[in-house]
Amino acid sequence: DAKTTQPNSMESNEEEPVHLPCNHSTISGTDYIHWYRQLPSQGPEYVIHGLTSNVNNRMASLAIAEDRKSSTLILHRATLRDAAVYYCILRDKGGATNKLIFGTGTLLAVQP
Amino acid sequence: DGGITQSPKYLFRKEGQNVTLSCEQNLNHDAMYWYRQDPGQGLRLIYYSQIVNDFQKGDIAEGYSVSREKKESFPLTVTSAQKNPTAFYLCASSIVDRGSNIQYFGAGTRLSVL
Repeated sequence: DAKTTQPNSMESNEEEPVHLPCNHSTISGTDYIHWYRQLPSQGPEYVIHGLTSNVNNRMASLAIAEDRKSSTLILHRATLRDAAVYYCILRDKGGATNKLIFGTGTLLAVQP
Repeated sequence: DGGITQSPKYLFRKEGQNVTLSCEQNLNHDAMYWYRQDPGQGLRLIYYSQIVNDFQKGDIAEGYSVSREKKESFPLTVTSAQKNPTAFYLCASSIVDRGSNIQYFGAGTRLSVL
């Protein structure tokens, strides 16, 4: 399974944009890039995913590098409720199990 | 409301005891999963099932057992053979296809040993 590398922690101020980076230099052509987040003492929550093109939804935007070796999750205006651990995960499109390989993620702190 | 329900929220196990964690979903998903999370760590896959009456071991299945008699239900038993069961257990479900399946998670069960 291809691996991802994320910073252990990041800090942001409320109502400012946040850019959460992820490196995945061994990504294969069939790997989707998924982002999940986990609030304290809760189950993970899907945020966004993409394959090659940048993606936007109501929660966030996903910017994927042209060579696909890195991506960035963008929260346009951070709120206190966005404080969570953010996981960048590669999911094999052709995989038989839909297994998600979770790393330790990035702990995002949002200051008021 | 559609979603995944895990119970109980907190569970205590005595030495040598088997305990069962419940997971129910009403999303009509074929696939269900059990993960374990230790403090400060990511999730690790214990078991998964893609169809009723069938399931496969994940990365850390030793000391655990599951059943999938109904589409809606995927209970996990933590047996006495699991020597370090204290952890946060998460159940998830998804559709089964070759696309970018999104997994939906329950709120988790926190298991501790007395």
